[in-house]
Amino acid sequence: GAVVSQHPSWVICKSGTSVKIECRSLDFQATTMFWYRQFPKQSLMLMATSNEGSKATYEQGVEKDKFLINHASLTLSTLTVTSAHPEDSSFYICSALTSGTVDEQFFGPGTRLTVL
Amino acid sequence: GQSLEQPSEVTAVEGAIVQINCTYQTSGFYGLSWYQQHDGGAPTFLSYNGLDGLEETGRFSSFLSRSDSYGYLLLQELQMKDSASYFCASRMDSSYKLIFGSGTRLLVRP
Repeated sequence: GAVVSQHPSWVICKSGTSVKIECRSLDFQATTMFWYRQFPKQSLMLMATSNEGSKATYEQGVEKDKFLINHASLTLSTLTVTSAHPEDSSFYICSALTSGTVDEQFFGPGTRLTVL
Repeated sequence: GQSLEQPSEVTAVEGAIVQINCTYQTSGFYGLSWYQQHDGGAPTFLSYNGLDGLEETGRFSSFLSRSDSYGYLLLQELQMKDSASYFCASRMDSSYKLIFGSGTRLLVRP
């Protein structure tokens, strides 16, 4: 099956700093990627849809100036959490959409962000 | 609003069969998917129902009834490794965005 990677797998940062998370589709091209956030013991919440070559589409309640998304190529999307605060500590998961005979999302392994 | 409701926890014995239900209220509906997630891991795709009826994939089966806004995941011959969280998810529209259910933690006991 298709493989999606995320880097870093975990990060600890100080409050007020910015953190960049990368999402890569390793063996397929993805014009569309999705970013989710998951708090402990809770469900995945869709944050935004990342489209290659265009602006991301954010879900209601997600601050686009705080969570910057760049989808610069068909295999890479980045999420930058700007001026991170402790309440941004969460598990961030991306997924990449394949296309072809079957459209399916493949999820990355996630990035655990802890803001001190 | 859009919501997919699941039981929060289910416990079952190794070798048994367990059913995880999902009821949904959505403005649009393009089908129901099921994902498994172990603690700290990524969700992995299990099954998809685009039409009413039963889909079988090995030990896992999934069922959908659009008229009842209801689906379930059936796990047979439970194994200890099946202990995980299970999520139903629905596509709202043609954009492939997924809305996830509240999730069910399954504990399989010896």
